[in-house]
Amino acid sequence: DQQVKQNSPSLSVQEGRISILNCDYTNSMFDYFLWYKKYPAEGPTFLISISSIKDKNEDGRFTVFLNKSAKHLSLHIVPSQPGDSAVYFCAANRRGGATNKLIFGTGTLLAVQP
Amino acid sequence: DTGVSQDPRHKITKRGQNVTFRCDPISEHNRLYWYRQTLGQGPEFLTYFQNEAQLEKSRLLSDRFSAERPKGSFSTLEIQRTEQGDSAMYLCASSLPGQGANYGYTFGSGTRLTVV
Repeated sequence: DQQVKQNSPSLSVQEGRISILNCDYTNSMFDYFLWYKKYPAEGPTFLISISSIKDKNEDGRFTVFLNKSAKHLSLHIVPSQPGDSAVYFCAANRRGGATNKLIFGTGTLLAVQP
Repeated sequence: DTGVSQDPRHKITKRGQNVTFRCDPISEHNRLYWYRQTLGQGPEFLTYFQNEAQLEKSRLLSDRFSAERPKGSFSTLEIQRTEQGDSAMYLCASSLPGQGANYGYTFGSGTRLTVV
């Protein structure tokens, strides 16, 4: 049962344009959502997060939007740069505090073309 | 601080052999996590330590898997009687005291296991 879904395995964007990566979840108990970026041969790197009490969080070129009613979140990268080319994972954490585990999606490979 | 360190980076083993991986977290991080990532999938949680105590284990962690963190510093993950299905990237992560999953872990570069 895939509780966090990233339905687009890949995305190609021109440099300078907006990249929009999408993520859907099924578990309404999730209360925190995170985005990680992963380059080949490296571990995932934390990028940005959002609490379920918010609908938007911004950090520089990266903005995450959360639509709780649709159980959907998205990561916007503006403007996209070739160095942003990587696999992006969406992850979620369940309400309850006792658990420290993240549930990851399957990832989206972003290619930013110069 | 050089971040989360994992050793070895790559391991090829024959089916049925035992393997052990090591993780050295960031020194001031008391929380340590193990994840497994197979091809085309995202990382999957295996287990979590706070200091030397193993506080959470996934059902993915079968009897053949054991993780330890004896002195609350480095951790080892051992797989006994390896199977081809164990082939994966094993990722270790750590985080500061009081900062769990919501704050974003720091991952190591992983150990890639290939069982032949």
